[in-house]
Amino acid sequence: DIQMTQSPSSMSASLGDRVTITCQASQDIGNNLIWFQQKPGKSPRPMIYYATNLANGVPSRFSGSRSGSDYSLTISSLESEDMADYHCLQYKQYPLTFGSGTKLEIK
Amino acid sequence: EVKLLESGGGLVQPGGSLRLSCAASGFTFTDFYMSWIRQPPGKAPEWLGVIRNKANGYTTEYNPSVKGRFTISRDNTQNILYLQMNTLRAEDTAIYYCGNSFDYWGQGVMVTVSS
Repeated sequence: DIQMTQSPSSMSASLGDRVTITCQASQDIGNNLIWFQQKPGKSPRPMIYYATNLANGVPSRFSGSRSGSDYSLTISSLESEDMADYHCLQYKQYPLTFGSGTKLEIK
Repeated sequence: EVKLLESGGGLVQPGGSLRLSCAASGFTFTDFYMSWIRQPPGKAPEWLGVIRNKANGYTTEYNPSVKGRFTISRDNTQNILYLQMNTLRAEDTAIYYCGNSFDYWGQGVMVTVSS
């Protein structure tokens, strides 16, 4: 199985900060990665498809990038509504695997 | 508008069975892969499996963690996705979500396995 190592597990940042969350894939997944946002009591919401493509309706302050086996989700200027859990999911190979999640809190 | 509505959750004893349903609307059901994921409280989601679309023969893939105990099926006349869960264990306790590819997910249904 492909392991997705996500970091950090939690973080606290101030409004307006630039925030980056990373998932490292244990094997090549191409760009077959989705970033989800999940707010308490809600289902996951896809934010980024194919590592770098913004989903419909997602604010432009969100972006995705790749460097080798490291995939990153960046929020350029943190807003209060961005407080949530974030998960990566690789869909290159079955079984699909999620990262362990990042809890983003606002200072 | 795409809607996915899970039902069938609840409390079940260890070793018991449960069948979850996911009623789908707002899209052409047979065109889409349909998936199940679960999420234990406070933990990351876990992918359980997928049933492919009509063009791909409605074949299935499963996470080895549930293969042989869980079965995914679909009723393409009523646009319903199913998850049959057998020999349930305490560690199967989670919120279960159905999904349309990766784009849309239901609100989730809680399954608690406990005596």
